[in-house]
Amino acid sequence: DTAVSQTPKYLVTQMGNDKSIKCEQNLGHDTMYWYKQDSKKFLKIMFSYNNKELIINETVPNRFSPKSPDKAHLNLHINSLELGDSAVYFCASSQEQGRNQPQHFGDGTRLSIL
Amino acid sequence: GNSVTQMEGPVTLSEEAFLTINCTYTATGYPSLFWYVQYPGEGLQLLLKATKADDKGSNKGFEATYRKETTSFHLEKGSVQVSDSAVYFCALSDEAGTALIFGKGTTLSVSS
Repeated sequence: DTAVSQTPKYLVTQMGNDKSIKCEQNLGHDTMYWYKQDSKKFLKIMFSYNNKELIINETVPNRFSPKSPDKAHLNLHINSLELGDSAVYFCASSQEQGRNQPQHFGDGTRLSIL
Repeated sequence: GNSVTQMEGPVTLSEEAFLTINCTYTATGYPSLFWYVQYPGEGLQLLLKATKADDKGSNKGFEATYRKETTSFHLEKGSVQVSDSAVYFCALSDEAGTALIFGKGTTLSVSS
């Protein structure tokens, strides 16, 4: 059973398009996250949700809009895709918000913009 | 602000060699510290963690000790295997616990 699952695994699309990435966790966790990993493997937090409420938004362009319909899901919608959006996007979850909480990661979605 | 600095890779070792990957951090308050591992094509997996000064995290032969006086959390393993080849990330979680802040990752390549 996959704990944190993301779909799709690969996403190839053209500049200017709108796309969504879905994330689901079956761990019963309260807190979910989106991270972006660039071509040099550097990982940076984008958003953090706790009990469906946004708690962190790290200066991400407003073309990126997360949506959490329930605690088990955190989807990422991206409008007007740009070349610089090419990256691997990781969803993660933790039991609750807190400094001691390890995060569980999905396998990532590799987004390529043509 | 909070930050994590890892040694630059890649690190190339022969099987059974000793591994050290250095990690230092800057943070206010009392962060928790983590090591994550990423195998090719996969997501990150928690390797070990430490939540207070002098704690030692350990898992699968890897160890790291939370050193507040040197603000370090170096990863060590006594005898690496080919299967340890991966990218290793040091990370911290600040007191609010809203997100992980990662180092840039260190690629380890082990040959037989």
